[in-house]
Amino acid sequence: GEDVEQSLFLSVREGDSSVINCTYTDSSSTYLYWYKQEPGAGLQLLTYIFSNMDMKQDQRLTVLLNKKDKHLSLRIADTQTGDSAIYFCAESSYRSGSARQLTFGSGTQLTVLP
Amino acid sequence: DVKVTQSSRYLVKRTGEKVFLECVQDMDHENMFWYRQDPGLGLRLIYFSYDVKMKEKGDIPEGYSVSREKKERFSLILESASTNQTSMYLCASLRGSSGGQPQHFGDGTRLSIL
Repeated sequence: GEDVEQSLFLSVREGDSSVINCTYTDSSSTYLYWYKQEPGAGLQLLTYIFSNMDMKQDQRLTVLLNKKDKHLSLRIADTQTGDSAIYFCAESSYRSGSARQLTFGSGTQLTVLP
Repeated sequence: DVKVTQSSRYLVKRTGEKVFLECVQDMDHENMFWYRQDPGLGLRLIYFSYDVKMKEKGDIPEGYSVSREKKERFSLILESASTNQTSMYLCASLRGSSGGQPQHFGDGTRLSIL
C-alpha cells in the first residue's frame, strides 16, 4: 500500500536553515502537504503543493517536489525556537473512491537549539 | 476559520468500558475522519465518513466503530476499551472530495485505558 517516510529527528541552531525530507510511494498522489504539530495540540496546515509543481515558496517556507524520485522537502529559513515542533508530511489520494484521504509520515521532531 | 472541536482533551477509562469520543465541526464539511497518533507511527486512519450515516473503514478499524447521525458530528466508539487503545485521537474534517482542500484538525483527545 501507500507509504510515506520521514526521519524521526532533526536538530538545528537558531538562525540556521532546517530541511525536513520525505519520500512517498504513491505515484497517483496529486497533493502533498506539510503539517506542524506543537506540543499538546492538533495538526496545523503549513503549506501544500500540487503534483505538477516542483517548488512553492511561502515566506520562510520553501517546498521542493521531485516527482520522479517521489521526494518532498520542507526548508525553513532562519529557524526560530518557535519552530520547534513535529512536522508531518502527507500525501493525498483516492484510496476507496469515496473521499480523498491522507497518508501521513511518522513525523519529524524538529528541535531548535539556542 | 474552520473549527473542529473534540469534546475532551484528556480522558481516563478502564479496560472493558464503552468509550465515546465526540467531534464537532462548524463548516458544513462533508467528510470527517478519525485518526490515532502513536510515537514513531504518525497518524493512522481508523474510520472516515463522507456523508451523514455513511462510513468507511480506514487502516486500523478493529476494536472501533463510528456514528454520524448529523453532518457536523462524528463520534468514535471503543466498544470494549483495551490498554492497547491508549493513544492520542485526532478528528479532522474536509470540504468536498476534490482539489487541494486540506483536512482541518481538532486539538486531539489523549485517552488512557487503565
